Amino acid sequence: ETGVTQTPRHLVMGMTNKKSLKCEQHLGHNAMYWYKQSAKKPLELMFVYSLEERVENNSVPSRFSPECPNSSHLFLHLHTLQPEDSALYLCASSQEPLAAYNEQFFGPGTRLTVL
Amino acid sequence: AQSVSQHNHHVILSEAASLELGCNYSYGGTVNLFWYVQYPGQHLQLLLKYFSGDPLVKGIKGFEAEFIKSKFSFNLRKPSVQWSDTAEYFCAVNNKIKAAGNKLTFGGGTRVLVKP
Repeated sequence: ETGVTQTPRHLVMGMTNKKSLKCEQHLGHNAMYWYKQSAKKPLELMFVYSLEERVENNSVPSRFSPECPNSSHLFLHLHTLQPEDSALYLCASSQEPLAAYNEQFFGPGTRLTVL
Repeated sequence: AQSVSQHNHHVILSEAASLELGCNYSYGGTVNLFWYVQYPGQHLQLLLKYFSGDPLVKGIKGFEAEFIKSKFSFNLRKPSVQWSDTAEYFCAVNNKIKAAGNKLTFGGGTRVLVKP
């Protein structure tokens, strides 16, 4: 248990559905991240939030919409996804947002399947 | 853009054998280097990291890694593996410049299976 939780752990959705992934960290960190882990591809950074402000959008399509209402919670809102968006979505958090030496703590991930 | 490559996708070895996993990165500036591990059914967790100083860093569970700047490499080693080292191992880098923030670039991972 890292102190980063993600719900749901598994999600199956149709291409016309709207769903949200939730991440919560209990570590008192100030930065939160979304990563995508696809089969046969490296883990890809999607978004970075620092003190609840988005500081990085790594060319992610607009059908993925992040939200960070406070430093402990991070959401990823999904709408009109494509089958190729099926992947494991990982959330992470770290202290001192811009400090590159800080370890990132990862959640268990949400396994998303888009039909 | 920086990239990270891990040469082996799968490694199978017996207990007590030595392990070395290769990692090379491509980036023109100075970097921090990390190895993360994901045990079966568990989350990603940090194994060790290099920021500065001694290029040979020691991590948890008997792992170590050596940063060779001239080769842009950060290979992971363990002299004698155990069955419990079965996992997927990920090399990662980020830009040391503060303004770049803490944005990790990961390699594709190496699945290690240790046979008892």
